[in-house]
Amino acid sequence: NAGVTQTPKFRILKIGQSMTLQCTQDMNHNYMYWYRQDPGMGLKLIYYSVGAGITDKGEVPNGYNVSRSTTEDFPLRLELAAPSQTSVYFCASSSQGVDNSPLHFGNGTRLTVT
Amino acid sequence: DAKTTQPNSMESNEEEPVHLPCNHSTISGTDYIHWYRQLPSQGPEYVIHGLTSNVNNRMASLAIAEDRKSSTLILHRATLRDAAVYYCPENSGGYQKVTFGIGTKLQVIP
Repeated sequence: NAGVTQTPKFRILKIGQSMTLQCTQDMNHNYMYWYRQDPGMGLKLIYYSVGAGITDKGEVPNGYNVSRSTTEDFPLRLELAAPSQTSVYFCASSSQGVDNSPLHFGNGTRLTVT
Repeated sequence: DAKTTQPNSMESNEEEPVHLPCNHSTISGTDYIHWYRQLPSQGPEYVIHGLTSNVNNRMASLAIAEDRKSSTLILHRATLRDAAVYYCPENSGGYQKVTFGIGTKLQVIP
């Protein structure tokens, strides 16, 4: 299994441009998450989803949008990129259920907005 | 939401045991306690989890207080490869909303 796959690995955007960060998982996990990590800081939850068609805001949702049309995919959309969105973005998934199964993380997308 | 607190940083000598604490002051009775670590320039990876009993796996041990208000991740013999940031994330009931703080940065001294 590939696990959680994020694309692209790196991206440079100009201020005001838009882009979509892709995340796909092949483990049939219901729960998916997007986090951002600024240099030297912890992870901040942007959005999460508990199943196809269901999304909810995390700690820092402003400036981002998500959709969850399939179980496998959870893309993150930046509409008007700002320098404050320069960060490393991590996608994660989990099967959840009564055993509180752990999160599986992707390798991240490093985004620079200039 | 459940809240967790951890020290910002800790040091350990190589080949000595390390005890990393986490306080879970508002944890609910059915929420598992999870630990993750993040090696430099990598994404977080799962380490261990448990509910009430102490747990062991190939990476570490997890000791959970009887009242579940605190837990301790134990690395039995720290190696240089264990230098990382360790997280015990907050978990809002049913593990739907998982939030990470800044974690504990572990430095291992040769």
